[in-house]
Amino acid sequence: NAGVTQTPKFRVLKTGQSMTLLCAQDMNHEYMYWYRQDPGMGLRLIHYSVGEGTTAKGEVPDGYNVSRLKKQNFLLGLESAAPSQTSVYFCASRTWTGAGELFFGEGSRLTVL
Amino acid sequence: KQEVTQIPAALSVPEGENLVLNCSFTDSAIYNLQWFRQDPGKGLTSLLLIQSSQREQTSGRLNASLDKSSGRSTLYIAASQPGDSATYLCAVVDSGGSNYKLTFGKGTLLTVNP
Repeated sequence: NAGVTQTPKFRVLKTGQSMTLLCAQDMNHEYMYWYRQDPGMGLRLIHYSVGEGTTAKGEVPDGYNVSRLKKQNFLLGLESAAPSQTSVYFCASRTWTGAGELFFGEGSRLTVL
Repeated sequence: KQEVTQIPAALSVPEGENLVLNCSFTDSAIYNLQWFRQDPGKGLTSLLLIQSSQREQTSGRLNASLDKSSGRSTLYIAASQPGDSATYLCAVVDSGGSNYKLTFGKGTLLTVNP
């Protein structure tokens, strides 16, 4: 049971480059989330999705885009990376019924030079 | 808007001590509350989840309680060990039509000294 898998786990970019982080879950969860975590800032929500084909902005969406074409995948894109986007990115998912436990991926560490 | 506060921000205790971590929230209309552990440079590991209809959950040396009316949850760690050193975060899910909304506290950094 893989749970929530993020790829890649590490990436170094130059300013202005683009990249996509992939989050895949095998638990048939409806809700998926992308967070960034920076020292002293806690977890901040970038974007989220309540189901296949839907996305919504969180508290820090600027500079990021997302897509959820398949229920199991949630992609986070950086079109033109900036040093301020250096961070650790976490994906999470949960179901909207039952206990609703939140499961996290292991994180993706991104450095923008 | 839901707000989640964790006090203290940091706690240092000697090995073997029993301790309590606190999590408070402003809106009592919650779906569930979940406690996580995060080791330095690692992801978040789920420890305990308490649904809104429950008062407490236990796993090994950990016990989490929930008092919705007062907007509080506590995580009790018995007989602490150096391996318990980590940051502990709580997260609250809103109830009803907003149960996709999650709010995290900023965490309590726990250090257990040998």
